[in-house]
Amino acid sequence: KAGVTQTPRYLIKTRGQQVTLSCSPISGHRSVSWYQQTPGQGLQFLFEYFSETQRNKGNFPGRFSGRQFSNSRSEMNVSTLELGDSALYLCASSSGRGRHIQYFGAGTRLSVL
Amino acid sequence: AQSVTQLDSQVPVFEEAPVELRCNYSSSVSVYLFWYVQYPNQGLQLLLKYLSGSTLVKGINGFEAEFNKSQTSFHLRKPSVHISDTAEYFCAVISSFGNEKLTFGTGTRLTIIP
Repeated sequence: KAGVTQTPRYLIKTRGQQVTLSCSPISGHRSVSWYQQTPGQGLQFLFEYFSETQRNKGNFPGRFSGRQFSNSRSEMNVSTLELGDSALYLCASSSGRGRHIQYFGAGTRLSVL
Repeated sequence: AQSVTQLDSQVPVFEEAPVELRCNYSSSVSVYLFWYVQYPNQGLQLLLKYLSGSTLVKGINGFEAEFNKSQTSFHLRKPSVHISDTAEYFCAVISSFGNEKLTFGTGTRLTIIP
């Protein structure tokens, strides 16, 4: 069974641009969560999608948004990038049963110049 | 809401020595507990989990952890470490009532000294 796949692995953008990150969950998993990891703030929860609906949201500005498609794949978008958005963005998927067990992808490393 | 405290940010250990990484949590409701490991330039890998039942849980790579409800702790242990265990370890907690937000500790960097 394939794991959680995140694309791309690395991204370099400049301030003011926008970016879209993609996450394909484990087959059969319906929940996708996104986390931001930085040296200063650690791992912080962004949002969670289940069956195409945002079910939970962290404390991030509206520049951070996401969506989930009918095949459970999810995208995360950050608009008007700031230097502080440089981070490792991690996606995690979980099943409907025992859905609290989250499996993570390798992440997308975003650098904002 | 839940919170997690990892008491040691860095732990150096000689190869083949035992190690314990400490984790304490706070929650007003019952929780599930996890340890994840992150190797350089990689995502998080699930090491082990406590959901219910026996308070001593075994995970991958020879790690185990003990859930202590009275002390609200979930310390990770390994009797003999290897160079390959060099990584960052994260303790995490989630409410057992269906809130999907995992709350992580700040991580412990385990360095194995040859």
